[in-house]
Amino acid sequence: KNEVEQSPQNLTAQEGEFITINCSYSVGISALHWLQQHPGGGIVSLFMLSSGKKKHGRLIATINIQEKHSSLHITASHPRDSAVYICAVNSGGSNYKLTFGKGTLLTVNP
Amino acid sequence: ETGVTQTPRHLVMGMTNKKSLKCEQHLGHNAMYWYKQSAKKPLELMFVYNFKEQTENNSVPSRFSPECPNSSHLFLHLHTLQPEDSALYLCASSHRQGEAFFGQGTRLTVV
Repeated sequence: KNEVEQSPQNLTAQEGEFITINCSYSVGISALHWLQQHPGGGIVSLFMLSSGKKKHGRLIATINIQEKHSSLHITASHPRDSAVYICAVNSGGSNYKLTFGKGTLLTVNP
Repeated sequence: ETGVTQTPRHLVMGMTNKKSLKCEQHLGHNAMYWYKQSAKKPLELMFVYNFKEQTENNSVPSRFSPECPNSSHLFLHLHTLQPEDSALYLCASSHRQGEAFFGQGTRLTVV
């Protein structure tokens, strides 16, 4: 079992819908990251959080440390949001080592 | 544009070839990383360099040889690779405990 589990694996939505992607982890962490990967491979960091909630534009990330769970929300989704969203955690006492989930493929149709 | 540049973007090499991947960042970060992304698998950490010193080697076969001549540059030297080494190789950099910035990756195909 992967230390970082994401759900769903695939998600298809209509433009304008509210989207939630979930991440659960089984280890103690110092931080959790949400990343976005577009076709072609490049990865962009969306959020790094260790508690509470962060918001950037239409994106919101929350984390519940007690429940070892984080969610990424996208409001008013748009086709350009189509990408793979990856959850990753800093764990094991290492400030550098990231453990990744398998990613969620999001497709937003016009 | 994340500030981390990888070259080449695509590479096809034979199993007897020797090639190198290059990564460059001018963000002032002290840590640089190599990750491997194979189809249908999560990203896997390969190596971490902190202030030019290797701090993590995630049991990577010796046919992958990293080099970090300074805090801004990171190389991955490849030799006698296998077809199963075909993958997307991603470089990243960060400050300690900071957000990671990724390059666009090198799509490697071993034939």
